[in-house]
Amino acid sequence: DAGITQSPRHKVTETGTPVTLRCHQTENHRYMYWYRQDPGHGLRLIHYSYGVKDTDKGEVSDGYSVSRSKTEDFLLTLESATSSQTSVYFCAISESERGAQETQYFGPGTRLLVL
Amino acid sequence: AQRVTQPEKLLSVFKGAPVELKCNYSYSGSPELFWYVQYSRQRLQLLLRHISRESIKGFTADLNKGETSFHLKKPFAQEEDSAMYYCALRGNTNAGKSTFGDGTTLTVKP
Repeated sequence: DAGITQSPRHKVTETGTPVTLRCHQTENHRYMYWYRQDPGHGLRLIHYSYGVKDTDKGEVSDGYSVSRSKTEDFLLTLESATSSQTSVYFCAISESERGAQETQYFGPGTRLLVL
Repeated sequence: AQRVTQPEKLLSVFKGAPVELKCNYSYSGSPELFWYVQYSRQRLQLLLRHISRESIKGFTADLNKGETSFHLKKPFAQEEDSAMYYCALRGNTNAGKSTFGDGTTLTVKP
């Protein structure tokens, strides 16, 4: 496995509370991504980063924000969690935009339950 | 816009039977296509990519630009192939972003 960890691995929280998920990599890869995985929807991109302090929205970014102050860490924040954000969240990294190393490597996932 | 369609949510075959997981895509440029696999209780991982033209664990996939498809095939399925399979497309204009299909759960019965 590529050096990607996610914390926490499981989280139960209440509606309206803020939640921050952390993705940490030891590969020094430039690109980092946050996805959510839901039955019937597959993997959907929330936000991604193409460098320190450089982030952009994915297809389901509403209700989420991200920050990347260091190469190795990419944080996903739910400012005010809602039940619709109950999901499994995956972080991924890739080395380059194009070329032979464009494969994405995934973290183990974080299961979030919003009550 | 780019889109990936995996028409089968569930696919069940018997051990030793051929298996084909379908993937169709929509993209106006030259796409890069991938298959990812997620085994039970494991993280998502790359299975193969069209650019490499490789066979991994007996699986192959050929990019058919005329039919805009990238179906995953294996001539003789094994029980350990049971997993969730995702087809993914990376366009050549959007900075590393990939679009994933909804996934197909493959079950190989003994």
